[in-house]
Amino acid sequence: DAGITQSPRHKVTETGTPVTLRCHQTENHRYMYWYRQDPGHGLRLIHYSYGVKDTDKGEVSDGYSVSRSKTEDFLLTLESATSSQTSVYFCAISEVSGANTGELFFGEGSRLTVL
Amino acid sequence: DAKTTQPTSMDCAEGRAANLPCNHSTISGNEYVYWYRQIHSQGPQYIIHGLKNNETNEMASLIITEDRKSSTLILPHATLRDTAVYYCISGGAGSYQLTFGKGTKLSVIP
Repeated sequence: DAGITQSPRHKVTETGTPVTLRCHQTENHRYMYWYRQDPGHGLRLIHYSYGVKDTDKGEVSDGYSVSRSKTEDFLLTLESATSSQTSVYFCAISEVSGANTGELFFGEGSRLTVL
Repeated sequence: DAKTTQPTSMDCAEGRAANLPCNHSTISGNEYVYWYRQIHSQGPQYIIHGLKNNETNEMASLIITEDRKSSTLILPHATLRDTAVYYCISGGAGSYQLTFGKGTKLSVIP
């Protein structure tokens, strides 16, 4: 299995509080992604990174920010959490070099509940 | 919207081959077909991918039609642990915006 660790795995917080989710990889893959998964919507891309300090928005980026200061870490921040951000968040990594042609490897998910 | 279409659900008898179809009629010449599955609430798991040729690995086989407009994922001997949602996705290698649709919920029946 790809070395991807998400933390925390479960979090309950209150509306208006800041939340940071961390994704850590040991594969040295260039690309990292944050998805959210909600019933009826499937997986939706929030933000992605194509290198250290290089990030861009996905389809549902409002209310979220990201940072990548090291290859191995990709942080997702909710500056002021809202109930609509209650979801399961998945981090993924990929690489396009050698034998790798962009296939995604996912973490186990972080379940966030905003009360 | 997803660029692929899949049946919402399928059943398969345990021990039989599970054949999961996917239509990707708008696929471009340099786009791959990727298959993933998600078991219950776990993170999606990569299964296999292909460009033009059929592919096989330890998990499954991927059959891509000659016109590349559709493909079939084959699980040769389905087990109860193969019960999951299977996603078929098309995109370029390194594409940042791979779109996941609703997938096919495969139920393997004892």
